[in-house]
Amino acid sequence: NAGVMQNPRHLVRRRGQEARLRCSPMKGHSHVYWYRQLPEEGLKFMVYLQKENIIDESGMPKERFSAEFPKEGPSILRIQQVVRGDSAAYFCASSPRDRGSSYNEQFFGPGTRLTVL
Amino acid sequence: GDSVTQMEGPVTLSEEACLTINCTYTATGYPSLFWYVQYPGEGLQLLLKATKADDKGSNKGFEATYRKETTSFHLEKGSVQVSDSAVYFCALSERGSRGSQGNLIFGKGTKLSVKP
Repeated sequence: NAGVMQNPRHLVRRRGQEARLRCSPMKGHSHVYWYRQLPEEGLKFMVYLQKENIIDESGMPKERFSAEFPKEGPSILRIQQVVRGDSAAYFCASSPRDRGSSYNEQFFGPGTRLTVL
Repeated sequence: GDSVTQMEGPVTLSEEACLTINCTYTATGYPSLFWYVQYPGEGLQLLLKATKADDKGSNKGFEATYRKETTSFHLEKGSVQVSDSAVYFCALSERGSRGSQGNLIFGKGTKLSVKP
């Protein structure tokens, strides 16, 4: 069973361009989480999605950032008009369908390291 | 809101030394607690977890006990190896927080370097 896949692993963009980050969850997982890790910081929650639904986007910046998890295909985190402050590592995690247990483990991908020039 | 505070690094130890990385938390409910490890260039891996007070999580020689009275979840290992060199993150998850199903709240991470 392949783990969580993220691509690209490294992405370089100039200010004002768009960045699209992809996440393929583990097989059978229907919950996806995106986190951002700024240099020398811990991970910060951004958004939680299930198939075709955004469940919690309380950690997403109000502008320029959007996320989707379509019925078919990977989850996409999209950053429009990137600025230098967007430079960070972006991690995706997936977990299985909620069965009512107290916690479903999140499995993390290797991350996408975004550099904005 | 909920938060996690862990000791700042970097921590440098010699092989076979004892390790303790302190972690305390603030939460409104009864969170689950975790330690994640991040090796260079990789994503996070779950190291151990505890879901209720007095639970002890353990894995690969690492241990942490969920202490509700001190709101702590310190990570310990009796004898570290060079291969333990990594960044360690303490985290909590409160089910139903803001309607989400357990998004994780992380500490800033502690970098551990073990010298031969």
